[in-house]
Amino acid sequence: RKEVEQDPGPFNVPEGATVAFNCTYSNSASQSFFWYRQDCRKEPKLLMSVYSSGNEDGRFTAQLNRASQYISLLIRDSKLSDSATYLCVANQAGTALIFGKGTTLSVSS
Amino acid sequence: DAGITQSPRHKVTETGTPVTLRCHQTENHRYMYWYRQDPGHGLRLIHYSYGVKDTDKGEVSDGYSVSRSKTEDFLLTLESATSSQTSVYFCAVSREDTEAFFGQGTRLTVV
Repeated sequence: RKEVEQDPGPFNVPEGATVAFNCTYSNSASQSFFWYRQDCRKEPKLLMSVYSSGNEDGRFTAQLNRASQYISLLIRDSKLSDSATYLCVANQAGTALIFGKGTTLSVSS
Repeated sequence: DAGITQSPRHKVTETGTPVTLRCHQTENHRYMYWYRQDPGHGLRLIHYSYGVKDTDKGEVSDGYSVSRSKTEDFLLTLESATSSQTSVYFCAVSREDTEAFFGQGTRLTVV
């Protein structure tokens, strides 16, 4: 079983929509969590870290639910420039970072 | 910018030849990783290192070896390249329990 699972999508939404992605992880010892963004044929780049209390950065909100072992990313007021693949990561200290396969978002005008 | 350089950025090689990819970092990150990315598979871990001469296998390590003789360099070697190893290879670095930063990737084609 893959340690980190995501719905691959694609999610096709109009500009201005709110969209949410979920990601489940199987290792209960995972301690740190992140969301990355990857544009076509480019390297992944950190979008935001995910904290237990939840955190927000502008239009983006990340949540962590340790009891159910999932993390989420909410994007409000979607922009065309948000079109990308979003990768979640769960990490146990001292081990390698394991990525989900990614969720593809396409925002249209 | 975490000071990560991958070389070469593009390479075409023939089946059966050895290939070495290099990842160089300038900011003294302890952890270094090699991933490959293929359509439908996402990022898959090949090998990673948690210190000089300390390495471990990832989920797709068969056919690959690594070496880390200096903190700043992590080498990935394909002993005898096969067409199934045609892929985009990403190097990443991180500190303990923190986010990872990626190099720009190496596009490898095995013909």
